[in-house]
Amino acid sequence: EDKVVQSPLSLVVHEGDTVTLNCSYEVTNFRSLLWYKQEKKAPTFLFMLTSSGIEKKSGRLSSILDKKELFSILNITATQTGDSAVYLCAVPSPAGKSTFGDGTTLTVKP
Amino acid sequence: DAMVIQNPRYQVTQFGKPVTLSCSQTLNHNVMYWYQQKSSQAPKLLFHYYDKDFNNEADTPDNFQSRRPNTSFCFLDIRSPGLGDAAMYLCATSTRFSGTDTQYFGPGTRLTVL
Repeated sequence: EDKVVQSPLSLVVHEGDTVTLNCSYEVTNFRSLLWYKQEKKAPTFLFMLTSSGIEKKSGRLSSILDKKELFSILNITATQTGDSAVYLCAVPSPAGKSTFGDGTTLTVKP
Repeated sequence: DAMVIQNPRYQVTQFGKPVTLSCSQTLNHNVMYWYQQKSSQAPKLLFHYYDKDFNNEADTPDNFQSRRPNTSFCFLDIRSPGLGDAAMYLCATSTRFSGTDTQYFGPGTRLTVL
């Protein structure tokens, strides 16, 4: 059975801090790993990672995949209160099902 | 422009009273998904359609049914809602199955069962 594990489950930081969220996976037929941000509504897409070692970047957010060690990290630098959300990691299978991690709840305090 | 639309955004029903949630998409995607998400949990896939082909997850209760009358619309029917069915229901779409497809989520319908 495919498995996606995120850590930590929750994190509280202050504005300006840098955070690193972790996602490890054990899946058959890996093709990609996706990061989503969820703020009391449906998840919104952040990144898709398919290749090891290539950093994806969007503003203060960046992510990288390690296919050898089977994990990905999501970095957020200079955090803002608007970054407070649940960050979900998901691994889609070619059969159509995505396996989601339980998410990391990030709280950024002013 | 809205791409995946869910109606209603909030639904209150009574224990045992059937309810239908709707999802529509303007993306012309082949695949539509229904997820159930309970508080502080990851979304749980209930079923998905690839075009008209219906795929039910093994652990989805029989109480949950789905219809996809055309490419744009998909419905989730809960025949006899129980208190444990109170959750956020998320609809998502993707172009196809390849393992590299982003799923686009609708805003969700929050279901309350009294």
